[in-house]
Amino acid sequence: RKEVEQDPGPFNVPEGATVAFNCTYSNSASQSFFWYRQDCRKEPKLLMSVYSSGNEDGRFTAQLNRASQYISLLIRDSKLSDSATYLCVVNMEYGNKLVFGAGTILRVKS
Amino acid sequence: DAGVTQSPTHLIKTRGQQVTLRCSPKSGHDTVSWYQQALGQGPQFIFQYYEEEERQRGNFPDRFSGHQFPNYSSELNVNALLLGDSALYLCASSQPRGIGYTFGSGTRLTVV
Repeated sequence: RKEVEQDPGPFNVPEGATVAFNCTYSNSASQSFFWYRQDCRKEPKLLMSVYSSGNEDGRFTAQLNRASQYISLLIRDSKLSDSATYLCVVNMEYGNKLVFGAGTILRVKS
Repeated sequence: DAGVTQSPTHLIKTRGQQVTLRCSPKSGHDTVSWYQQALGQGPQFIFQYYEEEERQRGNFPDRFSGHQFPNYSSELNVNALLLGDSALYLCASSQPRGIGYTFGSGTRLTVV
């Protein structure tokens, strides 16, 4: 079983749509959680950290359920510029290695 | 303030050859991690260097080795290249305990 598993993509959505990505992780000792965004042939960039209480950054909302070992990302009012690969990332030990999911491709169309 | 710098940006090598990739961390960062990202996959952790020593290693063969210098810069060496080593190699730097984790733009290695 992979350490971090994500919804298979691609997700093709119209502008203005709401889209949700899900992710599960296998190691209950995981300590910190993130969503990264990666544009084609570029490096991953931190989109947002994910906290147990849930957190929001503009149109983006992240949720963490430690009991179910489940992470989600909700994007509201999708923009063309949101088209990218979204990577679910888990850190087992603070400051150490990051474990990435395979990523989910989002394509927002006009 | 320069971010994480990697060189070269692109590289083509032949099977069996050896390659060295370089990384300069962001100013104020002393920890360097290396990742391999194959096409269509997420980045996979290779190893991490701190205080010039390998602190943790992922599931990669001994053909993959590294070094960190006193100025915190780092090298990744891969010996006896295989076609399957073709990937984007990412370097990330951070302060201790992962604060400020920042990726470089990567080196795209093609093995032919």
